[in-house]
Amino acid sequence: KAGVTQTPRYLIKTRGQQVTLSCSPISGHRSVSWYQQTPGQGLQFLFEYFSETQRNKGNFPGRFSGRQFSNSRSEMNVSTLELGDSALYLCASSFAGTGEKLFFGSGTQLSVL
Amino acid sequence: QQPVQSPQAVILREGEDAVINCSSSKALYSVHWYRQKHGEAPVFLMILLKGGEQKGHDKISASFNEKKQQSSLYLTASQLSYSGTYFCGTEFFYSGGSNYKLTFGKGTLLTVNP
Repeated sequence: KAGVTQTPRYLIKTRGQQVTLSCSPISGHRSVSWYQQTPGQGLQFLFEYFSETQRNKGNFPGRFSGRQFSNSRSEMNVSTLELGDSALYLCASSFAGTGEKLFFGSGTQLSVL
Repeated sequence: QQPVQSPQAVILREGEDAVINCSSSKALYSVHWYRQKHGEAPVFLMILLKGGEQKGHDKISASFNEKKQQSSLYLTASQLSYSGTYFCGTEFFYSGGSNYKLTFGKGTLLTVNP
């Protein structure tokens, strides 16, 4: 059974650009969550999707957005990149998204220059 | 609303025990524990859904005190493979269920030396 797949693995962008990250959950999982990880801050919750609906979101500016497709694959987009957006972006999937274990992908390392 | 973990870091010798604590200011629906090794994705350890419940596998166990909204992770007879950063994650009660937002603490760096 394939795990959670995130693409690309690494990205280098410049300030002001936008970026789209992709996450393919484990087959059968309908919930996808996104997290930003930076040194010292741990894992910061971005948003959670279930069956194409965003059920909750974290305290991030509107530049951060996401969506989920009917096959449960998810994308997140960051527009007008800032230096502070440099981070490891992790997605995690589960069947129902509540009260159960999350399976994390390896993440996308975004560097903003 | 981010859970508070303590200690921030701990160094052990192989075979020693450790306790990592996680506390919340709000009523919890669940508490999760994950371990992340350097350069790898976080890996699930266990989840606790009921107050006072204790779970464990191998030599790692956890408890959840619903009254205090606290959870503790116990690592006994530590092994070198236990090294990594431990994160607790919490879901809050909302409208009789979960708020669908797993919020993680800042992590506890555990180092086990030979």
